[in-house]
Amino acid sequence: SYELTQPPSVSVSPGQTARITCSGDALPKKFASWYQQKSGQAPVLVIYEDNKRPSGIPERFSGSSSGTMVTLTINGAQVDDEADYYCFSTDSSGNHRVFGGGTKLTVL
Amino acid sequence: EVQLVQSGAEVKKPGESLQISCKGSGFNFTSYWIGWVRQPPGKGLEWMGMIYPGDSEIRYSPSFQGQVTISTDKSINTANLQWNSLKASDTAMYFCARHYGGAIIIPDYWGQGSLVTVSS
Repeated sequence: SYELTQPPSVSVSPGQTARITCSGDALPKKFASWYQQKSGQAPVLVIYEDNKRPSGIPERFSGSSSGTMVTLTINGAQVDDEADYYCFSTDSSGNHRVFGGGTKLTVL
Repeated sequence: EVQLVQSGAEVKKPGESLQISCKGSGFNFTSYWIGWVRQPPGKGLEWMGMIYPGDSEIRYSPSFQGQVTISTDKSINTANLQWNSLKASDTAMYFCARHYGGAIIIPDYWGQGSLVTVSS
């Protein structure tokens, strides 16, 4: 089965840049999206199609893609950005959708 | 405003059946896929499957095929997730999500979640 691999945790100080990676064999051909999930809440879409930001998402959130890896970047991370972040994509056939294992972002 | 409102928390015994629901509003319900995502306690998100209310086409993740049934009643803008015989390992939060059909079909708006607890 297809897998997307993320680091379990990332830690930064407030105001620093946080980068969360997601790797998968099909990512050169398939777009990825990113979700933020704060404790006890439903996930929120923060990036789609690798680098597009939905309306209402702060500009400090951006996405990029290079080969088999996509990256979520948070410029000037804030304490309020502490959350679990999940990437999402499909395998090369487009039939099997999966989430990455999730990355816990700590900002302190 | 797009809204997805899910049914409430459930406590069931192993072997019992269950159906939880997700009611959409603020968008054309028959023009979007509605999917389900599982999150076991303290763990990550798992994509289960989705249904297109317009024609009732269903796509399951291989991991959940045969384990659950996804259905819809488009007359009341509702999608359902059903189990015939619950197991303790089905204990989880279940989210429904509208799926946006861009370059790939992805969840965009989410329900608040329905907590299912299966315990003897």
